[in-house]
Amino acid sequence: GQQLNQSPQSMFIQEGEDVSMNCTSSSIFNTWLWYKQDPGEGPVLLIALYKAGELTSNGRLTAQFGITRKDSFLNISASIPSDVGIYFCAGRHTGANNLFFGTGTRLTIIP
Amino acid sequence: KAGVTQTPRYLIKTRGQQVTLSCSPISGHRSVSWYQQTPGQGLQFLFEYFSETQRNKGNFPGRFSGRQFSNSRSEMNVSTLELGDSALYLCASSLYYPGQVNNEQFFGPGTRLTVL
Repeated sequence: GQQLNQSPQSMFIQEGEDVSMNCTSSSIFNTWLWYKQDPGEGPVLLIALYKAGELTSNGRLTAQFGITRKDSFLNISASIPSDVGIYFCAGRHTGANNLFFGTGTRLTIIP
Repeated sequence: KAGVTQTPRYLIKTRGQQVTLSCSPISGHRSVSWYQQTPGQGLQFLFEYFSETQRNKGNFPGRFSGRQFSNSRSEMNVSTLELGDSALYLCASSLYYPGQVNNEQFFGPGTRLTVL
């Protein structure tokens, strides 16, 4: 199935640092979503984006729907230990409900 | 409101056997989707059910099937298990009224299937 290109694949940062990750696709989506997955759990929805160019925040998280509708970005400010996990982008086409997922970004905080 | 629940959480089977996984959506949610997660292929869509009808299907062989009951609970079945079927199987539910844009999917904790 179609997978979205997500980068970076992994990040090692110190607590308090800001984080940026992005997702690109060869096809257009009408919805972009960002999920976080902890070990042994299912993905948890962080942010949903519905319009090209939209910038949405959820606490320390900010995500943007790319103007071309083929990409999206997620920023985390002032990282804390509970931010550790795997972050996935996901896209959805018009009229459909199924999601296409990115390859994931594993975030690790170095003590 | 209770979240999406999946049973069992862990399952060990041998090649050739079949398996049935269960998913109970969030109360009021009528759409249930299933995804397979593996280290090699990532998260991939299996199928979606709405009002007891399969609305969409991913690119998986016919050994993978599912159904939805009138109370929106869903089951998926994998027959003639292969080693490569070892994965985390995730169920997600959403309200899904046709044409609704902000129709987000909420995932359960998954069922970890190991095929020996």
